[in-house]
Amino acid sequence: DVKVTQSSRYLVKRTGEKVFLECVQDMDHENMFWYRQDPGLGLRLIYFSYDVKMKEKGDIPEGYSVSREKKERFSLILESASTNQTSMYLCASSTSGTGRPYNEQFFGPGTRLTVL
Amino acid sequence: AQKITQTQPGMFVQEKEAVTLDCTYDTSDPSYGLFWYKQPSSGEMIFLIYQGSYDQQNATEGRYSLNFQKARKSANLVISASQLGDSAMYFCAMAQNTGANSKLTFGKGITLSVRP
Repeated sequence: DVKVTQSSRYLVKRTGEKVFLECVQDMDHENMFWYRQDPGLGLRLIYFSYDVKMKEKGDIPEGYSVSREKKERFSLILESASTNQTSMYLCASSTSGTGRPYNEQFFGPGTRLTVL
Repeated sequence: AQKITQTQPGMFVQEKEAVTLDCTYDTSDPSYGLFWYKQPSSGEMIFLIYQGSYDQQNATEGRYSLNFQKARKSANLVISASQLGDSAMYFCAMAQNTGANSKLTFGKGITLSVRP
């Protein structure tokens, strides 16, 4: 089974702190994604990566950066956390290699981040 | 720009009955993929079913089927023989026309409650 793990289920940080959210997948997937989920807004894409050291902005990249130094690991970084970044953060991964035109994403359990 | 619309605020269904969750989409791309995910209260996103825009038949996966009406741009999820464990949030999503490593655009979700 595909397994996507995230470093923390719950995290509490203070305004201005630098925050690292880690995501690891064990299925050799090429693609990795970071979303945030807020009530009434669904999931919104922050950043994604198609390959090691590659990154692309999603719909709401402001205030975030990412790092992908190894294929299995995709990190989301909040350079200076703010209260409006309090949210549920979901990591996902997908393969490009099924031969199907589009492939499903597999999600981690999520990190609920609170910024005080 | 792509858009996914899920307008039902909350749905209730009696155990063992069927229920339809609505999803409409808007895209100018001829090629796209449609996905449904389930998110129980534990928070994990679970992939349910996929429909490609060029697929001739409606997708089915066990008790889940997708009522795909291309001309109407709708992709409704049908759950047959509802179970108490089906109580969850359900998200419709669409992949852009960028191939197998596509990112997903999500709707805002629908809450389903199954009554015993």
